[in-house]
Amino acid sequence: DIVMTQSPDSLAVSVGERATINCKSSQSVLYSSSNKNFLAWYQQKPGQPPKLLISWASTRESGVPDRFSGSGSGTDFTLTISDLQADDVAVYYCQQYYSTRITFGQGTRLEIK
Amino acid sequence: QITLKESGPTVVKPTQTLTLTCTVSGFSLNTRGGGVGWVRQPPGKALEFLALIYWDDDERYSPSLESRLTITQDTSKNQVFLTVTNLDPVDTATYYCARLGNNDGTVYNWFDPWGQGTLVTVSS
Repeated sequence: DIVMTQSPDSLAVSVGERATINCKSSQSVLYSSSNKNFLAWYQQKPGQPPKLLISWASTRESGVPDRFSGSGSGTDFTLTISDLQADDVAVYYCQQYYSTRITFGQGTRLEIK
Repeated sequence: QITLKESGPTVVKPTQTLTLTCTVSGFSLNTRGGGVGWVRQPPGKALEFLALIYWDDDERYSPSLESRLTITQDTSKNQVFLTVTNLDPVDTATYYCARLGNNDGTVYNWFDPWGQGTLVTVSS
């Protein structure tokens, strides 16, 4: 299975600052024929189901603020949240869909400092 | 509007079999390029993929749980079912169903949107 490892496990950032969450896969999730990374990011607020933020490593879903951005390729990916708002408090997960043996990262808890 | 809703027992005993139902609306289960998956989350822990089924009834399972899982669908009722056998307290979790992603008519295995989830407790 492809192991997804996120870092850090938790972080606290001040309102208005930038939060950076990393996700590393144990093997590449870049599909060479399409040059697309099969990597998604989700946000899960307390008591709610996960919400898809980004697919293809960097494609924001409709309605997701442009403060959220995804980057990276191959095995190393980053979710960046700019101008952090109090409403961004959540656990963030990465997920690979390169393999049908779908795997998630362990999650990164984001809090306000 | 696309919605999914999970239903099933909230408490089951160890060794019993659990059957969960995901009722969908706003899309058709037999539309080419579609599918539904199940993901669970133990209290305070991370998400874990369980199983998925495509519009053509093709199925995929988590390798670690495959022997205990069965996913099926009834397209006439807009429902997807997940059966988990031989339950153990470690199976206590919120179980979510979610629609698989679609890009230009091709299904991809991201999940959007998700149902609200149903908490299943395994306890004697």
